[in-house]
Amino acid sequence: DTAVSQTPKYLVTQMGNDKSIKCEQNLGHDTMYWYKQDSKKFLKIMFSYNNKELIINETVPNRFSPKSPDKAHLNLHINSLELGDSAVYFCASSQYRDEQFFGPGTRLTVL
Amino acid sequence: DQQVKQNSPSLSVQEGRISILNCDYTNSMFDYFLWYKKYPAEGPTFLISISSIKDKNEDGRFTVFLNKSAKHLSLHIVPSQPGDSAVYFCAPHYSGTYKYIFGTGTRLKVLA
Repeated sequence: DTAVSQTPKYLVTQMGNDKSIKCEQNLGHDTMYWYKQDSKKFLKIMFSYNNKELIINETVPNRFSPKSPDKAHLNLHINSLELGDSAVYFCASSQYRDEQFFGPGTRLTVL
Repeated sequence: DQQVKQNSPSLSVQEGRISILNCDYTNSMFDYFLWYKKYPAEGPTFLISISSIKDKNEDGRFTVFLNKSAKHLSLHIVPSQPGDSAVYFCAPHYSGTYKYIFGTGTRLKVLA
């Protein structure tokens, strides 16, 4: 029974396309996050939502837009994809500021 | 802005020996420190944490030490097992925010 799930696991697309990654958690947590792990393997936070409200919005191009329809879901939509967006994107959740539970990641490749 | 550094990108240790992974940070406001373990093609998983009011926390084979004056923490794994082979990230945090800063990671390889 997966705690934090992401779909799709792999995403290959052309430059300029728009794509979405979905995330769901069944842990009852109130906070969800999106992280990007780039080619150098650095794991950097992008966004965080607490009870459907945006609480962290790092310096991310506005082509990236998170959407949280409810506490259990946090989706990431990316417009006009660029080569530099190729990375692994991780969703995570936590109860308040406790340790985070991560999804398996979505590997995005932009051609 | 590398507030958190793990200066050893990789480490190899013989099975049964001690593994010591280090993490240095610059922000004195950090007051809660976590370690995560990551296997290939999986998300990071929480391993152990320590609050800034302590200098040591132990959980089975894993012990984390915190030296606040040196802004340094370390993770000790004793005895090391082949299943411990993974990338380890330290992730400090400070109260009042939801933001964790992840270190650069150390790839541990435990040789059988």
